[in-house]
Amino acid sequence: AQKITQTQPGMFVQEKEAVTLDCTYDTSDQSYGLFWYKQPSSGEMIFLIYQGSYDEQNATEGRYSLNFQKARKSANLVISASQLGDSAMYFCAMREGQTGGFKTIFGAGTRLFVKA
Amino acid sequence: EAQVTQNPRYLITVTGKKLTVTCSQNMNHEYMSWYRQDPGLGLRQIYYSMNVEVTDKGDVPEGYKVSRKEKRNFPLILESPSPNQTSLYFCASSLTSPSMNTEAFFGQGTRLTVV
Repeated sequence: AQKITQTQPGMFVQEKEAVTLDCTYDTSDQSYGLFWYKQPSSGEMIFLIYQGSYDEQNATEGRYSLNFQKARKSANLVISASQLGDSAMYFCAMREGQTGGFKTIFGAGTRLFVKA
Repeated sequence: EAQVTQNPRYLITVTGKKLTVTCSQNMNHEYMSWYRQDPGLGLRQIYYSMNVEVTDKGDVPEGYKVSRKEKRNFPLILESPSPNQTSLYFCASSLTSPSMNTEAFFGQGTRLTVV
């Protein structure tokens, strides 16, 4: 069965430093997409970055990059030059293709605290 | 402006009183989905729909109903709410295929309390 695991319930990082949030997944589908979302304390869900299972290059969006290691089934989010506004909950998610019925599953999340 | 609109934002109701949470998107997306968010559990998919008249169960469908009569609307129906359905609910829409950048646009959330 498909599964997303985020092993870090909470993380601290110093402002201006880089931080890696871990995400591993399990699927038997060949076609799938991986996503990261940010949820600040205000509650809205903000899309950060996407990686397709057939994409050979790691996705990047500004200060966000996704370290995609397909053989290890990991999709870690790297935030460079952390800012105080990055303090939030971060969720990893996966959408499977036809084999998996196009379901979407989320990990339990990692709460990131950025220290000044 | 591309958006997903869900209403109401906050709702307190009593056990057994039927309610509907509406969701509408203006992006002509095929895929729409409902999630509930509970502390420590992340978001769990309740139901999803890949197009008009096509719906399927997510991981936690018990106690919920949905319909997709029009592409833009995907209401969530609780026929007989119970206290264990107290949660934060999100509606989202996106393209369907995971081989494309299927960024999901989320509604603002509905905080439901069942007493």
